[in-house]
Parts: sequence; C-alpha cells; structure tokens
Amino acid sequence: QKEVEQNSGPLSVPEGAIASLNCTYSDRGSQSFFWYRQYSGKSPELIMSIYSNGDKEDGRFTAQLNKASQYVSLLIRDSQPSDSATYLCAALIQGAQKLVFGQGTRLTINP
Amino acid sequence: DTGVSQDPRHKITKRGQNVTFRCDPISEHNRLYWYRQTLGQGPEFLTYFQNEAQLEKSRLLSDRFSAERPKGSFSTLEIQRTEQGDSAMYLCASSPLGTSGSHTGANVLTFGAGSRLTVL
Repeated sequence: QKEVEQNSGPLSVPEGAIASLNCTYSDRGSQSFFWYRQYSGKSPELIMSIYSNGDKEDGRFTAQLNKASQYVSLLIRDSQPSDSATYLCAALIQGAQKLVFGQGTRLTINP
Repeated sequence: DTGVSQDPRHKITKRGQNVTFRCDPISEHNRLYWYRQTLGQGPEFLTYFQNEAQLEKSRLLSDRFSAERPKGSFSTLEIQRTEQGDSAMYLCASSPLGTSGSHTGANVLTFGAGSRLTVL
C-alpha cells in the first residue's frame, strides 16, 4: 500500500463548477498535510496546508481533513481554466521530517 | 531572496557518465531536500539535510547517488555511472526549521525549478 494515494485522473470539470480532489494516507500518525499544484513542466507550488480535523478555507480553496478516516480533500470553488494542473497531496510522515507525495491528480477545467 | 535555485536546468548525458546537480536554497532555510520525479508520478523523496547534516536517505538512493551540503548552504547531488532509468526531474526544496511546537513554516517546502536529466 502506498503511503499517500490519489486518483490519477484525469478529472474534468466545467468552468465555474466545484472541483473535488481526494487523497488517502496510510500512516495514522501523520499530523500535517499539504496540497501542491504543479503546472505542466513546472515545479510544485504550495496551495494549502492543514493540520487539524475539519475544514480550512483560503479564497476559492478549501482543504478538508478527517484523521479517523485518514482522508484529505481539496475543493476548488468557481473553477477557472487557470486551475488546470496536477494537484499533489502530501503527508508528513510521523517521526520523520520528510513529505511523502501521492502520484497527483490531473485536473482539467473546461471553458 | 530569489527562491530556490537549481543548476543546470537540463542535462543530457550518455549512459555511464557522472553528473552533478547543484541547489541553492532560500538563505534562511535550514532544511534542504532532494526529490526525484518521473512523468505522471509525484515527487519521490531521496534525501534531506538539516544544516550540513544528512539526516535521512531513501532506499531509492543507491550507492551511485551521493549528496552533500558541506557548509549548510548549497547542496550537490551526484549520480555516478548514470543509467537510462536515472532519467527524471531532480527537484530540490528547502524549508525553515520552524519553532518548537509550531506548524508555522516548518515542513512547508519551497521547490526549485528542477534539473531535468536525460540519459541516452
């Protein structure tokens, strides 16, 4: 079992709709979670971090964490074509200081 | 602060040659990471440094790979006797140490643009 798992997609969403991206993790001791966006040919850039159960909102982005279910999600409201990218979920492994990434979900926003 | 810098951006080499990549982290960041990314996959952890100390190495890092951060500033990643399977994007990232008990900043990685290796 991979430490962090994501559906690779592609996920296609119409412009203006809500895009929902999901991630599960295997290390129950993980405490910190991150969503990175990666445009084609570019390096990952941080969108959101979340450490506590519940929702965390930042503009059009909402991260959700459920530690009991070992589940992290990212919602993008009012999706724009510029949101088309690969979204990487990452978890900080307990006892280590390294981020483990999922394989990423490729998101396409259709105008 | 110009962010994380990596050099070269692209390296094409023949199988069996040695290559070296350099990373200059954000100046106030204590931690420096190396990841490898292949097409369609997420970044895979290779190794990380806290100041000049190499604190963890992935089992992915065979004895052909070596990384250094001699003065706790820039880092180099060397691959000896390259193989075609080494073709990938090599990403460097840095992060601050963060304050004790605080999530702020710590473990928030800032990535460089990457060094793409092509082994022919």
